[in-house]
Amino acid sequence: AQSVTQLDSHVSVSEGTPVLLRCNYSSSYSPSLFWYVQHPNKGLQLLLKYTSAATLVKGINGFEAEFKKSETSFHLTKPSAHMSDAAEYFCVVSEGNTPLVFGKGTRLSVIA
Amino acid sequence: GAGVSQSPSNKVTEKGKDVELRCDPISGHTALYWYRQRLGQGLEFLIYFQGNSAPDKSGLPSDRFSAERTGESVSTLTIQRTQQEDSAVYLCASSSGVLAGARYNEQFFGPGTRLTVL
Repeated sequence: AQSVTQLDSHVSVSEGTPVLLRCNYSSSYSPSLFWYVQHPNKGLQLLLKYTSAATLVKGINGFEAEFKKSETSFHLTKPSAHMSDAAEYFCVVSEGNTPLVFGKGTRLSVIA
Repeated sequence: GAGVSQSPSNKVTEKGKDVELRCDPISGHTALYWYRQRLGQGLEFLIYFQGNSAPDKSGLPSDRFSAERTGESVSTLTIQRTQQEDSAVYLCASSSGVLAGARYNEQFFGPGTRLTVL
């Protein structure tokens, strides 16, 4: 069975500094991996997805993630944080015809 | 175009009462999912509908939970004899599901229904 571990429940960065949200996964097969963002009182939005193509995936709003099979990681990064990036971020794994598995989320705070 | 809509946006009920939550998926999306998000937690999968196939109910936490879907449109999640631990945000998502391994398609989420059981 697959699983996802988001290593930080809360990350705080200053505006203009890099963002790193860490995610490790466990999967028996070649997984698909996703990052979703949830802004307060808004629905979930897909940031990016990895589905066995290029290992460096670019998403919306300047975010990107790199699939590293040897490290079973799929960390989310952004070179420069913006105030509007403050939100909850979820790492998600999927393999074949099994339910999507969400991590517990990382709350990103951006300090002016 | 319209996204996924859910109603009501908020529901407060008394312990022991039944509740129905509604989801209107994006038109043409054959796959529909229900998830539950407890406070401070990630999403838990509840149930999955794909076209006319039998639904995947493996995530339903108890027999008090059930869901139906009319064709490839509206879905209703019903919780009978609600308990306080049922308090959560219930999210619905839909996807086009046209490819083999349909779960790889992007899921579009509704705004959720916040259920509070007193």
